[in-house]
Amino acid sequence: AQSVTQPDIHITVSEGASLELRCNYSYGATPYLFWYVQSPGQGLQLLLKYFSGDTLVQGIKGFEAEFKRSQSSFNLRKPSVHWSDAAEYFCAVGATDMRFGAGTRLTVKP
Amino acid sequence: DAMVIQNPRYQVTQFGKPVTLSCSQTLNHNVMYWYQQKSSQAPKLLFHYYDKDFNNEADTPDNFQSRRPNTSFCFLDIRSPGLGDAAMYLCATSLQGGNTEAFFGQGTRLTVV
Repeated sequence: AQSVTQPDIHITVSEGASLELRCNYSYGATPYLFWYVQSPGQGLQLLLKYFSGDTLVQGIKGFEAEFKRSQSSFNLRKPSVHWSDAAEYFCAVGATDMRFGAGTRLTVKP
Repeated sequence: DAMVIQNPRYQVTQFGKPVTLSCSQTLNHNVMYWYQQKSSQAPKLLFHYYDKDFNNEADTPDNFQSRRPNTSFCFLDIRSPGLGDAAMYLCATSLQGGNTEAFFGQGTRLTVV
């Protein structure tokens, strides 16, 4: 089965600073890749997805992610973080089902 | 406007007392998932349905069962809840499986006393 690794459990950035959250996947074929965000006590909301084509994908809330096959990575980026971005971020890989990484908790300092 | 609805949002049950969590969808999606999420951990896939085909994860305890009586509804039954089963339970749907976006409900927070 496919699997996902998010190396960073917790990241703190200052408001206005740039952000990069790392994601590495393991899957034998072309992966379907997703980033979801979860606010406390809530379900997961899709930020963006990659299926094929352009390796740089744009999502909601100013987020983007870049698929790099050679590195088996799908890192999430945002040029300027807002306090409202504080949440838990999950990378996921889809095949016959969908599996999630352990998540990265983002704290935003004023 | 809600697309995936989980009831209840909060459930308190007694140790060993059977409990059922419900999920409904208005998206007419083929696939429905149940995930268990413990504090500060990733959602863990328990099982999923593709239409009526049930797919159980190998490490899902027998204590957890599921029913999907029709396209719109899916239930998670915990036959004898233990303290370790306290968690957030997330229901999600997708049109065709892992190659399509999953839509999540708000989750049910289960407390076992």
